Amino acid sequence: AQKITQTQPGMFVQEKEAVTLDCTYDTSDPSYGLFWYKQPSSGEMIFLIYQGSYDQQNATEGRYSLNFQKARKSANLVISASQLGDSAMYFCADFKAGGTSYGKLTFGQGTILTVHP
Amino acid sequence: EAQVTQNPRYLITVTGKKLTVTCSQNMNHEYMSWYRQDPGLGLRQIYYSMNVEVTDKGDVPEGYKVSRKEKRNFPLILESPSPNQTSLYFCASSLSSLAATYEQYFGPGTRLTVT
Repeated sequence: AQKITQTQPGMFVQEKEAVTLDCTYDTSDPSYGLFWYKQPSSGEMIFLIYQGSYDQQNATEGRYSLNFQKARKSANLVISASQLGDSAMYFCADFKAGGTSYGKLTFGQGTILTVHP
Repeated sequence: EAQVTQNPRYLITVTGKKLTVTCSQNMNHEYMSWYRQDPGLGLRQIYYSMNVEVTDKGDVPEGYKVSRKEKRNFPLILESPSPNQTSLYFCASSLSSLAATYEQYFGPGTRLTVT
């Protein structure tokens, strides 16, 4: 079964510094997709970045990059130049793209990021 | 405006009284899904649907029913709600279920309290 682990319940970072949010996944399927979502205190879910299991390069979207280490089954989110508006809950998720339960999406427990001025 | 809508946004009900939370998307998306969010547990998938008339269980399907009779709608049914179903519920959709590439578009959430 898929399992996503986010080991950091909370993280603190100074404004303008970079921060890494950890995510490890546990799947035996060759085909999967990894996502990061942001949930501000207002509650909506915002898509940040995607990494496919066959992608050779790490995904980047503006200040967000995904440090994909396939052998270690990790997909850490790196936020560069943190802003106060980055304070939120961050979720890592794994989409099953093959085999039984194709289409199942599993989320981690989330990491609360607080950006200090 | 492209969006996923959920109704109601807030609901307080009593144990055993059947309820339905509606979900609708206007983006012609194939894939739709329901999640519940509980503190410390993140989001857990309840059911998902790869297309019309195709539904599958997620991680926590017990006590819930779904149907996908049309592409745009994916209602969540609680036949006999219990207090442990008190939670924040999200509906989401994505363009295609054929690849993992597509991100989920989430509805605004429904906060359900069962007393």
